[in-house]
Amino acid sequence: AQTVTQSQPEMSVQEAETVTLSCTYDTSENNYYLFWYKQPPSRQMILVIRQEAYKQQNATENRFSVNFQKAAKSFSLKISDSQLGDTAMYFCAFLLYNNNDMRFGAGTRLTVKP
Amino acid sequence: DSGVTQTPKHLITATGQRVTLRCSPRSGDLSVYWYQQSLDQGLQFLIQYYNGEERAKGNILERFSAQQFPDLHSELNLSSLELGDSALYFCASSPPGTNYGYTFGSGTRLTVV
Repeated sequence: AQTVTQSQPEMSVQEAETVTLSCTYDTSENNYYLFWYKQPPSRQMILVIRQEAYKQQNATENRFSVNFQKAAKSFSLKISDSQLGDTAMYFCAFLLYNNNDMRFGAGTRLTVKP
Repeated sequence: DSGVTQTPKHLITATGQRVTLRCSPRSGDLSVYWYQQSLDQGLQFLIQYYNGEERAKGNILERFSAQQFPDLHSELNLSSLELGDSALYFCASSPPGTNYGYTFGSGTRLTVV
């Protein structure tokens, strides 16, 4: 079974600085997708960024980028120029190709301080 | 607005009761997924429907059931409710043939007293 581990329950960062959230996963499969979701205090789940395992190039979305290390089964999220609105729970998620069961990590609570 | 509509937003009910949560997927999406998020926990997959048929089952209790109707909206039925069923219940949807990630609704917060 696929598992997703986020080892940092809580993190904080000063506004305008950079922070990296860690995620590791366990799978014996080769084709899968990885995601980072953001859950602000409103509790809405918002897709931040997506990575296909067959792509070597790391995904980027504006201030958000990932460091995908397939051999190490690591998928970290880097937030540059942190903003107060980035304060949220961040969940790493794993989805096997042609599967229907997206697995989530336990989440990292990020606080951006002014 | 994500395009996935969940009703009601909040629900308070007593132990032993039965409730129904409703979800309308984003236009064009055929898959509907239900997740449970207990207080400050991750999301636990409950069940998935695709175009009216059950496709995958996760950690869903026997007291819980779901269905997807011809118009593709889905309902999650929770019966014989216990205090531990208090949680945020999310519905998500995705289009056919892609793995671009799920689009989530805003959730239904269920409180069992």
